[in-house]
Amino acid sequence: SQQGEEDPQALSIQEGENATMNCSYKTSINNLQWYRQNSGRGLVHLILIRSNEREKHSGRLRVTLDTSKKSSSLLITASRAADTASYFCGSLGAQKLVFGQGTRLTINP
Amino acid sequence: EPEVTQTPSHQVTQMGQEVILRCVPISNHLYFYWYRQILGQKVEFLVSFYNNEISEKSEIFDDQFSVERPDGSNFTLKIRSTKLEDSAMYFCASDGGGLETQYFGPGTRLLVL
Repeated sequence: SQQGEEDPQALSIQEGENATMNCSYKTSINNLQWYRQNSGRGLVHLILIRSNEREKHSGRLRVTLDTSKKSSSLLITASRAADTASYFCGSLGAQKLVFGQGTRLTINP
Repeated sequence: EPEVTQTPSHQVTQMGQEVILRCVPISNHLYFYWYRQILGQKVEFLVSFYNNEISEKSEIFDDQFSVERPDGSNFTLKIRSTKLEDSAMYFCASDGGGLETQYFGPGTRLLVL
């Protein structure tokens, strides 16, 4: 079955630095979606990248997708304290999203 | 901006009781989903629903679970006889095309005592 896995599990950086999180999945996908979750709250959609796309940008976010390696990365540039959250990738095959454990990102002021 | 809403935000129930979690998906969306997240764990798919029927369900979604779209706006998840291990955050999601962005609601935190 599909399984998204993020690494690192936790990342702590200084405000203003860039943060990179990686995600792997196991089977073929239609797209991959990244979400943010603040502690105890809902999932906020960040960006979707389709299987035929290699890179996508949205504001300070940059996502890459390598279908040959079944991996994706999320880069947040010029991080802010408000970026502190958990980040999940969800791989979409048929209909369901398969999520990994997430990366807990902490931005230190 | 349209959003998925869920009620209640928190629910505490006794083991063996029935609970109904309610969701209002985004109005022009056609595909509806329930996911759950046990505290500290990853988000897990439960069920997808399209055209008034279940299109896919996970192993978690056993006979104690059911979903319904009782009217044109609500989408509900019923747990017939709750167990301690059903304690989790339950998320509803919807999308407009089946392979598009899934928009999640804020969740219902269910605690079974």
